[in-house]
Amino acid sequence: EVQLVASGGGLVQPGGSLRLSCSASGFTFSSYAMHWVRQAPGKGLQYVSAINNSGGNTYYADSVKGRFTISRDNSKNTLYFQMRSLRAEDTAVYYCVKDRGAEAVYGMDVWGQGTTVIVSS
Amino acid sequence: QNVVTQEPSLSVSPGGTVTLTCGLNSGSASTAFYPSWFQQTPGQAPRTLIHSTNTRSSGVPDRFSGSILAGKPALTITGAQADDESDYYCVLYMGSGSWLFGGGTKLTVL
Repeated sequence: EVQLVASGGGLVQPGGSLRLSCSASGFTFSSYAMHWVRQAPGKGLQYVSAINNSGGNTYYADSVKGRFTISRDNSKNTLYFQMRSLRAEDTAVYYCVKDRGAEAVYGMDVWGQGTTVIVSS
Repeated sequence: QNVVTQEPSLSVSPGGTVTLTCGLNSGSASTAFYPSWFQQTPGQAPRTLIHSTNTRSSGVPDRFSGSILAGKPALTITGAQADDESDYYCVLYMGSGSWLFGGGTKLTVL
């Protein structure tokens, strides 16, 4: 069974940093692209970032470009999301999502349970 | 600035049929946008229903179907059930690794 378990969320002050992790199991992690999608409280889904299977190609929404970094360690079956210079508007549940293919172009497939990030003083 | 639009809310009677659409402000959204549809109930992670316009994900009942209607990706629920009451989101591939979600449709079954 494909499982994605996100962790690392929490309460952080504006301007602070946080690193999210997403542990994958049940599939060949190194063969698939991965995404991060977030959902602010009471709001819809927002596409944030993606990385291809090898880690060589990454994408960022304009709202996080230059502040957030997506990466992966295929030897540990883990996806990461380093978030810096956090703002109140980054407050959201962050979901890691498996793609259907090696590049982040085939469509989102399996969703993890999400981890909550709250940016507040 | 591309914007994906969905009906904010729809209702359907149990056993009835309802169609949700996913519009793109810059024009038609064809199969080349690889539209996908997701279902989300309160407090839960989204679940993928449809990918690549009309392919159901594993385990998704066949009462859910995807298509393109008048230049808009569409999700049709035939024979709606009470537990179909959820929020539904579409997403379109905009190129260069970029995906854009619609604002979601809140579906009520009553």
